[in-house]
Amino acid sequence: SQQGEEDPQALSIQEGENATMNCSYKTSINNLQWYRQNSGRGLVHLILIRSNEREKHSGRLRVTLDTSKKSSSLLITASRAADTASYFCATVGGDYKLSFGAGTTVTVRA
Amino acid sequence: GAGVSQSPSNKVTEKGKDVELRCDPISGHTALYWYRQSLGQGLEFLIYFQGNSAPDKSGLPSDRFSAERTGGSVSTLTIQRTQQEDSAVYLCASSLRTPIDNEQFFGPGTRLTVL
Repeated sequence: SQQGEEDPQALSIQEGENATMNCSYKTSINNLQWYRQNSGRGLVHLILIRSNEREKHSGRLRVTLDTSKKSSSLLITASRAADTASYFCATVGGDYKLSFGAGTTVTVRA
Repeated sequence: GAGVSQSPSNKVTEKGKDVELRCDPISGHTALYWYRQSLGQGLEFLIYFQGNSAPDKSGLPSDRFSAERTGGSVSTLTIQRTQQEDSAVYLCASSLRTPIDNEQFFGPGTRLTVL
């Protein structure tokens, strides 16, 4: 069963705008990771945030984590056409498994 | 060095046939994972290897699915008597150790189509 659930399922924005997507999960975690997938293949790791961290930045990406609400958000600033992809959150609990959500499909219009 | 590689990239087979999917992890990565992604869905965990051992096979959907890993490197996922519902993209990933504080590096996947 999937641990994370992304919201919204799909997002369409204009190039240059910011894109925000959310992830909610059910059980306690060790860390939460965001991945990007282009054209249904090849996931690329974007960022990892540990359970004792609240915010993390990487380039145009900003991730927040609220363990009290069991939720995380991914913000992509100044979006580009190349950011068009599906974005997945994945949680790691006390073991080795990554539990993925169903993903958010982001379309950036030129 | 090279990333995770998988072969074949695409496989079309007839219902009832057996298929073998191969994964070459990043050199030195002790942990290896297989996932399945059906159309428009998230990833479904199948099996995890630490070295050559598979401490968790709980994600394998049925006894038609098996996997092995040899030499702490290459892994093969075998699906016997394939069914149409086995059609999916099968993704392999590896990590330096376990994903606690380690990212998983994914291969490009094998797209399996069962006719």
